[in-house]
Amino acid sequence: GAVVSQHPSRVICKSGTSVKIECRSLDFQATTMFWYRQFPKQSLMLMATSNEGSKATYEQGVEKDKFLINHASLTLSTLTVTSAHPEDSSFYICSVRAGGGGVPGTDTQYFGPGTRLTVL
Amino acid sequence: AQSVTQLDSHVSVSEGTPVLLRCNYSSSYSPSLFWYVQHPNKGLQLLLKYTSAATLVKGINGFEAEFKKSETSFHLTKPSAHMSDAAEYFCVVSDRRGTYKYIFGTGTRLKVLA
Repeated sequence: GAVVSQHPSRVICKSGTSVKIECRSLDFQATTMFWYRQFPKQSLMLMATSNEGSKATYEQGVEKDKFLINHASLTLSTLTVTSAHPEDSSFYICSVRAGGGGVPGTDTQYFGPGTRLTVL
Repeated sequence: AQSVTQLDSHVSVSEGTPVLLRCNYSSSYSPSLFWYVQHPNKGLQLLLKYTSAATLVKGINGFEAEFKKSETSFHLTKPSAHMSDAAEYFCVVSDRRGTYKYIFGTGTRLKVLA
């Protein structure tokens, strides 16, 4: 499967600052990447779908001006949390989609290790 | 529309005993189904996936799952639990004919007792 990295793994910032999280597909050219948010002891919540060379598609209730996504290349997508506040503290995970889905199982997602954001 | 239900939020087993984590799905077409494992503060690791090639799917670390269309189930099993299996497990169905989004189950926390 695809190998996905995220940087940084952990970040602590002050309220009002912006934080950028990188998601890299190390061995696979990913047309589509996904960004998720996970609260403690909960499942993953999809924030947005990131498509290379086009604007990201955000899920209902996710502020696109708050969470800026850029997918400038087939191996890199970035999530910028602008003017972060304590309620933005969470675990952010990205994934890459491998395959086209024509056959069940070919649309597998491979996940990064996650980034723990703490806003003071 | 696709959906997935994990029937148990917590499962406790003794080391060396079998593991059963239950998952039921709903899909209007032949689904893509996956099981992922998440250890604390880590990303998700793919355990196995249903590809329609076989109803009994073998995954990593001794896990397997059986696709039962008549029961709309995709339960995860392992013959003998190991302490390192303690983690959160997610059953996932994919919207493979549309947006390719994943629909996650609510997760099952597996506890392995010594």
